[in-house]
Amino acid sequence: GAVVSQHPSWVICKSGTSVKIECRSLDFQATTMFWYRQFPKQSLMLMATSNEGSKATYEQGVEKDKFLINHASLTLSTLTVTSAHPEDSSFYICSARETGGGGGYTFGSGTRLTVV
Amino acid sequence: DAKTTQPPSMDCAEGRAANLPCNHSTISGNEYVYWYRQIHSQGPQYIIHGLKNNETNEMASLIITEDRKSSTLILPHATLRDTAVYYCIVRFNSGGSNYKLTFGKGTLLTVNP
Repeated sequence: GAVVSQHPSWVICKSGTSVKIECRSLDFQATTMFWYRQFPKQSLMLMATSNEGSKATYEQGVEKDKFLINHASLTLSTLTVTSAHPEDSSFYICSARETGGGGGYTFGSGTRLTVV
Repeated sequence: DAKTTQPPSMDCAEGRAANLPCNHSTISGNEYVYWYRQIHSQGPQYIIHGLKNNETNEMASLIITEDRKSSTLILPHATLRDTAVYYCIVRFNSGGSNYKLTFGKGTLLTVNP
């Protein structure tokens, strides 16, 4: 079945630094990928829709200059948290669906970001 | 996308069937019902989806009422590993890849020994 690989699975960074999270579709091509954020005991909140070869579409309230998204190929999207602060500490999850596929969306295993 | 309502939590005995309800009274004719689950600290896992007919796969069965205003996810023989938050999502499905999924609060299913 479809597999989405997310890396790293966890990361600790210092406040003010930037962190890049990768999301790869391993056995299918995905023109669109999605980035979510999940705080403890809460549901997933969609941050942005990543489109291959074009700009990402951000949900209301998500700062596009802080959460940089790059979708340079049909199998890779990256999310960079710039100038991270402790309040950015969260569980970040990506998902993708095979273009033309009629099934469900496949999610990565998530990245636990801790900003100290 | 139509809104869904799920109970916040449910308990089930190991080995018994777990029946998770979902109300989606505003669903439109071209919207599908999707079910995902999320085990603690993992990404969500696709379970099943359907339009109006009942569906079954190796993981679960999906029963959709005739008026499509509600559905039930059935795990026939729940195990401890089925303890997770289960999300019912209603959305349009055209085969395109750019339709986003919006998650509600889901149901925390706890399977007890």
